[in-house]
Amino acid sequence: QLVLTQSPSASASLGASVKLTCTLSSGHSSYAIAWHQQQPEKGPRFLMKLNSDGSHNKGDGIPDRFSGSTSGAERYLTISNLQSEDEADYYCQTWGAGIGGVFGGGTKLTVL
Amino acid sequence: EVQLVESGGGLIQPGGSLRLSCAASGFTVSSNCMSWVRQAPGKGLEWVSVIYIAGGTYSAGSVKGRFTISRDISKNTVYLQLNSLRAEDTAVYYCARTDKAYFGLDVWGQGTTVTVSS
Repeated sequence: QLVLTQSPSASASLGASVKLTCTLSSGHSSYAIAWHQQQPEKGPRFLMKLNSDGSHNKGDGIPDRFSGSTSGAERYLTISNLQSEDEADYYCQTWGAGIGGVFGGGTKLTVL
Repeated sequence: EVQLVESGGGLIQPGGSLRLSCAASGFTVSSNCMSWVRQAPGKGLEWVSVIYIAGGTYSAGSVKGRFTISRDISKNTVYLQLNSLRAEDTAVYYCARTDKAYFGLDVWGQGTTVTVSS
């Protein structure tokens, strides 16, 4: 069964860095994912596509502070030099044949 | 500018029907897969339906047989027909362009709210 697992919450200080994790279920470690940001009271925004080899393609206008990396079944989103506007929910997303779209439960990031 | 604008949401009684629209600009829906995603109040994102480039469709089990995705190429618009609505269908509904290679959602609309209540 294709499942994406995310920690419910994370926090870091203004100007610091934070690394969010999305874990693919067993047998699916080769899957590419997408990372999305949802600021309070707004719709989601595509951040990047993240491949199993760690290469990533960011969406238009996404700052260099956002980057992605991979280790096995883990997909990471690193945000450097945290800004107040980075306080948001972050979702990973992939796709399964015969399943359709699959989202992780989301991580709520608090900027201290 | 690439943009998606949803409309058609509202307050509807249980068992009722509604049609949501998603108008695209800056790209053609016929050359892309398109999805609908919903978010219940205080909850995470839930994928709902997809229409593929060739026109085939697929929906999540929770809505299969009740919701239908379609498109009008001449209007560059995607629709979601919602029938037999239930209280648990209450959500903000987003449409999203869907990458045809790995099916990541790479452009989102601002959403339209559907409230199912008597």
